[in-house]
Amino acid sequence: EDQVTQSPEALRLQEGESSSLNCSYTVSGLRGLFWYRQDPGKGPEFLFTLYSAGEEKEKERLKATLTKKESFLHITAPKPEDSATYLCAAANQGGKLIFGQGTELSVKP
Amino acid sequence: DTEVTQTPKHLVMGMTNKKSLKCEQHMGHRAMYWYKQKAKKPPELMFVYSYEKLSINESVPSRFSPECPNSSLLNLHLHALQPEDSALYLCASSQEGWMSTDTQYFGPGTRLTVL
Repeated sequence: EDQVTQSPEALRLQEGESSSLNCSYTVSGLRGLFWYRQDPGKGPEFLFTLYSAGEEKEKERLKATLTKKESFLHITAPKPEDSATYLCAAANQGGKLIFGQGTELSVKP
Repeated sequence: DTEVTQTPKHLVMGMTNKKSLKCEQHMGHRAMYWYKQKAKKPPELMFVYSYEKLSINESVPSRFSPECPNSSLLNLHLHALQPEDSALYLCASSQEGWMSTDTQYFGPGTRLTVL
């Protein structure tokens, strides 16, 4: 069965304290790994798409990496405005997005 | 521009009402999606339209009825809903058809409350 697991469920950081979010996946014929940011009551905002192991993408303080079994979202020197829920989703062989439960990130000043 | 718009932002309805949610995109995307999201949970896929044809129905109750009048517009007709249907309803679109690996871009959602 296709499954995506994110850890930790919640993460509290001080401003400037770098950390990583984990996304482990078991998906038949992975066709893409997607990261989204979601603020409360709003729709998910697209961050990154990764297609193959070894691929890395960066945007401001965020960097996403992909291996054959997991993906990491590294946050460097986070700011309070980075507080949100970060969702990981893997596209399976049929094209369906399998979402993880999300990591709720809180960055305190 | 990767904008998907949804109206209304908020909707309160009784169990006997009929209402509709609307989603629009002008990016020329050929696949459009409806998701349901409960609090503290990830989005759950409901329907997929690919090239204006219904491609996926994830065993959604018939009180939810999707419609794709044209390639830019997606509706979700609601009738005789239950309080447990209260949720954030999200629309998304992607460039190519359903089976592609294109990124799905989400709208801001409609917060639905069923009394």
